[in-house]
Amino acid sequence: DAGVIQSPRHEVTEMGQEVTLRCKPISGHNSLFWYRQTMMRGLELLIYFNNNVPIDDSGMPEDRFSAKMPNASFSTLKIQPSEPRDSAVYFCASSPFIFSDNEQFFGPGTRLTVL
Amino acid sequence: AQSVTQPDIHITVSEGASLELRCNYSYGATPYLFWYVQSPGQGLQLLLKYFSGDTLVQGIKGFEAEFKRSQSSFNLRKPSVHWSDAAEYFCAVGARGSTLGRLYFGRGTQLTVWP
Repeated sequence: DAGVIQSPRHEVTEMGQEVTLRCKPISGHNSLFWYRQTMMRGLELLIYFNNNVPIDDSGMPEDRFSAKMPNASFSTLKIQPSEPRDSAVYFCASSPFIFSDNEQFFGPGTRLTVL
Repeated sequence: AQSVTQPDIHITVSEGASLELRCNYSYGATPYLFWYVQSPGQGLQLLLKYFSGDTLVQGIKGFEAEFKRSQSSFNLRKPSVHWSDAAEYFCAVGARGSTLGRLYFGRGTQLTVWP
């Protein structure tokens, strides 16, 4: 398996623009997680899905952020409008089941820079 | 609520020296415990995990960790560090029996290895 795939790997945009990050989880995995990593706040869980259904979105910073999982093999994280403080590395991870005893497999991340 | 503390933000060791990275957790029962490693520009990779049984667990790349219930700790060790071990290390805790599926990560410890 190719592992978790994220695109793009790097994104540079201007403040106010819409940004869409994409994730393809490992085939057969039921759970998908979106994280954000910054120097100031470390690794933060934004939202996670089980069987394509959002379970907990309490980590989503504000209404400018939205995430969808239309099917088992694809998820998006959208920021509209983007702001400079959204600059971070965004990781997607997947897991075979939702229970916490299962390893999460991380993608390589998308480095977002908002000018 | 679960939480993880990694007291050391940055550790520097010489190549060939022994290593111990500290991790303390807060949880009302015995949790699931994980150590992940993040190399520059990469996603997180699982080093090892503890679920139950033997409190000393072996992982990849020659790492091991010991679960100490009385100290609420799960410290990571390696007897002889290699230059390629330079990376950031994250401790994480998951709730045993929880269907919520999330992991709680520490802030990470950055390891620098001197030649």
